[in-house]
Amino acid sequence: AQTVTQSQPEMSVQEAETVTLSCTYDTSESDYYLFWYKQPPSRQMILVIRQEAYKQQNATENRFSVNFQKAAKSFSLKISDSQLGDAAMYFCAYRRGNNNDMRFGAGTRLTVKP
Amino acid sequence: ETGVTQSPTHLIKTRGQQVTLRCSSQSGHNTVSWYQQALGQGPQFIFQYYREEENGRGNFPPRFSGLQFPNYSSELNVNALELDDSALYLCASSRGFLNEKLFFGSGTQLSVL
Repeated sequence: AQTVTQSQPEMSVQEAETVTLSCTYDTSESDYYLFWYKQPPSRQMILVIRQEAYKQQNATENRFSVNFQKAAKSFSLKISDSQLGDAAMYFCAYRRGNNNDMRFGAGTRLTVKP
Repeated sequence: ETGVTQSPTHLIKTRGQQVTLRCSSQSGHNTVSWYQQALGQGPQFIFQYYREEENGRGNFPPRFSGLQFPNYSSELNVNALELDDSALYLCASSRGFLNEKLFFGSGTQLSVL
């Protein structure tokens, strides 16, 4: 079974600084996707960034980037120049390539201090 | 382009009752997935509907059932409610059943007393 582990229940960052959220996953598959979702108090899950396992290049979306270490099964999210609006729960998620069952970690609550 | 909308936003039921939750998918999306998010946990996949047919199911008992309508809106029905069914229920729509870009609604918070 595929599992996703987020070892940091809570993280805190000063506004304008950089923070890294950790995620590890367990799978025997070679074809899969990894995601980071943001869940603000509005409860709506918002896709932040995604990574295809077959791509070696780390995904980047503006201030958000990932460090994808396939052999180590690690998928961390780096948020640069943190903003107050980045405060939210962040969930790491995994999906097998030919399967519609997305598996989520337990989440990391990010606080941004002004 | 309208987003994913869910109703109601909050609901209180008692153990043993039945409940129906509703979801309107984003315009142009033909696939709806339902997730259960218990307090302090990540969402868990319940099932997915594609073109009005169930297209994949997570580890949930048969008392969790669903429907998708010709306009691609969807319902989640839960029979014989248990206390552990208390959770946030999220609906997500997408173009195609393997599209990794899911658009989520804001959920229905169900409390079972």
